[in-house]
Amino acid sequence: RKEVEQDPGPFNVPEGATVAFNCTYSNSASQSFFWYRQDCRKEPKLLMSVYSSGNEDGRFTAQLNRASQYISLLIRDSKLSDSATYLCVVNARREDSNYQLIWGAGTKLIIKP
Amino acid sequence: GAVVSQHPSRVICKSGTSVKIECRSLDFQATTMFWYRQFPKQSLMLMATSNEGSKATYEQGVEKDKFLINHASLTLSTLTVTSAHPEDSSFYICSARGLLPETQYFGPGTRLLVL
Repeated sequence: RKEVEQDPGPFNVPEGATVAFNCTYSNSASQSFFWYRQDCRKEPKLLMSVYSSGNEDGRFTAQLNRASQYISLLIRDSKLSDSATYLCVVNARREDSNYQLIWGAGTKLIIKP
Repeated sequence: GAVVSQHPSRVICKSGTSVKIECRSLDFQATTMFWYRQFPKQSLMLMATSNEGSKATYEQGVEKDKFLINHASLTLSTLTVTSAHPEDSSFYICSARGLLPETQYFGPGTRLLVL
């Protein structure tokens, strides 16, 4: 089982639609959670951190369910510029007690006009 | 936000040659830098953690003699792919740890193609 699993995608949705991304993680000791966005042939860029209480940034809403080890990202009123790959990232504790970012494989989103 | 540069952005080389990739933190000092590799349609895979002034820590399965890492200063880490082979062709990305332990700033990546 992968440490961080995401929907395989791609998601093809019309402009203006709402899109939901799901992510599960296996390490219950994980402490921090993030959503990154990666455009084609570019480096990943931090979209938002994910907090237990849930957090919102404009059209983007992130939620965390620690009991279920589940993270979500919701994009409302999607724009063409939202087309990218969305990566779920977990800061997990390693065997040597250091923390490491563990990356999901990403879900590609394609917004169609 | 913090800026991390990488050079070169793209390199094409012949099999058997060595390629050096530089990663620089431009406006902050990075005691720790990370080197990732990403194959097409796959997630980022951590190759090694580079600490200034000490030996890099390599992930399981990554050959330290093939991927040489040098972190000689607080703003520069280099990755040298020695005796490159076509299977080393990939997207190599570095990141530098910021003031917050969980914060990583990524370089723009280097696309390596070994013929």
